[in-house]
Amino acid sequence: AQKVTQAQTEISVVEKEDVTLDCVYETRDTTYYLFWYKQPPSGELVFLIRRNSFDEQNEISGRYSWNFQKSTSSFNFTITASQVVDSAVYFCALRILNTGRRALTFGSGTRLQVQP
Amino acid sequence: DAEITQSPRHKITETGRQVTLACHQTWNHNNMFWYRQDLGHGLRLIHYSYGVHDTNKGEVSDGYSVSRSNTEDLPLTLESAASSQTSVYFCASSVGQNEQYFGPGTRLTVT
Repeated sequence: AQKVTQAQTEISVVEKEDVTLDCVYETRDTTYYLFWYKQPPSGELVFLIRRNSFDEQNEISGRYSWNFQKSTSSFNFTITASQVVDSAVYFCALRILNTGRRALTFGSGTRLQVQP
Repeated sequence: DAEITQSPRHKITETGRQVTLACHQTWNHNNMFWYRQDLGHGLRLIHYSYGVHDTNKGEVSDGYSVSRSNTEDLPLTLESAASSQTSVYFCASSVGQNEQYFGPGTRLTVT
């Protein structure tokens, strides 16, 4: 069975600080996808990124960056120069590819509060 | 624009009543999913479908059922609502290996 752990329940930072959200996953499968979703206060779930298990290159999108390390089973998310609009709950999720299962296994989420 | 909608957005019902939550997507996605979100648990899978007439149980399926009679809709039914089913319910859809897109959610309160 697979599992996703987001040990940080809540993080509070001041605007312009950098913040890293941790995600550790467990799976015996070698082929999988990792995801990050954002849930702002309005409640919808917004897709941020998908990473294939064969691609360990880090990815940067504006102020967002993701560090994928298979050696430590981690897929961490960093926000540089945080802004109030980044305040949200962030979910990391895992999908195994070679079992035919297309559903996601989610972590419990990290609530990020960015103070002005 | 293609989208995924859920109705109602808010629902209050009494213990023991049957409740159906609607999910409708216009992307023509073959995969559809129902999750529930509870504090401290993230999102947990209730049921899912990979196509018309296909339904499968997720990790927390007890007390819930779904049916898939067409590509666009996957209604979720609570056969006899219980207070433990008070939650926020999200429907999602995807195609192939791609990411899932989520509906806006339905907040259900069982009193």
